[in-house]
Amino acid sequence: KAGVTQTPRYLIKTRGQQVTLSCSPISGHRSVSWYQQTPGQGLQFLFEYFSETQRNKGNFPGRFSGRQFSNSRSEMNVSTLELGDSALYLCASSFGDRNNEQFFGPGTRLTVL
Amino acid sequence: AQTVTQSQPEMSVQEAETVTLSCTYDTSENNYYLFWYKQPPSRQMILVIRQEAYKQQNATENRFSVNFQKAAKSFSLKISDSQLGDTAMYFCAFLEANTGNQFYFGTGTSLTVIP
Repeated sequence: KAGVTQTPRYLIKTRGQQVTLSCSPISGHRSVSWYQQTPGQGLQFLFEYFSETQRNKGNFPGRFSGRQFSNSRSEMNVSTLELGDSALYLCASSFGDRNNEQFFGPGTRLTVL
Repeated sequence: AQTVTQSQPEMSVQEAETVTLSCTYDTSENNYYLFWYKQPPSRQMILVIRQEAYKQQNATENRFSVNFQKAAKSFSLKISDSQLGDTAMYFCAFLEANTGNQFYFGTGTSLTVIP
């Protein structure tokens, strides 16, 4: 069974640009969550999508957005990039029930110059 | 919002010894789940162990066990017979029972197992 995949693995952008990250969940999983991981802040929850609908949202500005497709694949978009957006972006998938284990992808390392 | 605190940024332990990682959390909810995740240097996060708040019995998974103190809002992870492969970042996480999958993570503890 294939794991969670994220593309691209590494990305370098400059301030003001926008970026789109992709996450393919494990087959059968309907929930995809996104996290931002930085050394000082740890993992911070961005949002969760379940059956193409945003089910939960963390405390990030509107520059961070996402969507989920009918095949459960998810994309995350960040517009008007800032230096502080440099981070490892992790996505995690699960069946979507409360106690289900989340399976994490390897992450996308975004560097904003 | 819920908060999760891991007060030990770094720890080390001799191979074959036992180590305990601390985690406290703050919530007004009564139904929730707690997790420990491991992130080895390769960056792929994996679940180590989970605990349902309604269960009084502490969860155990092979060499990993937890000490869940609900009243104290404490959830520590004990690793017995530490192995070199246990070297990783360990994250404590909280999930409220009546929401979707909005996990709250601590800032992590970097554990090094010394040969």
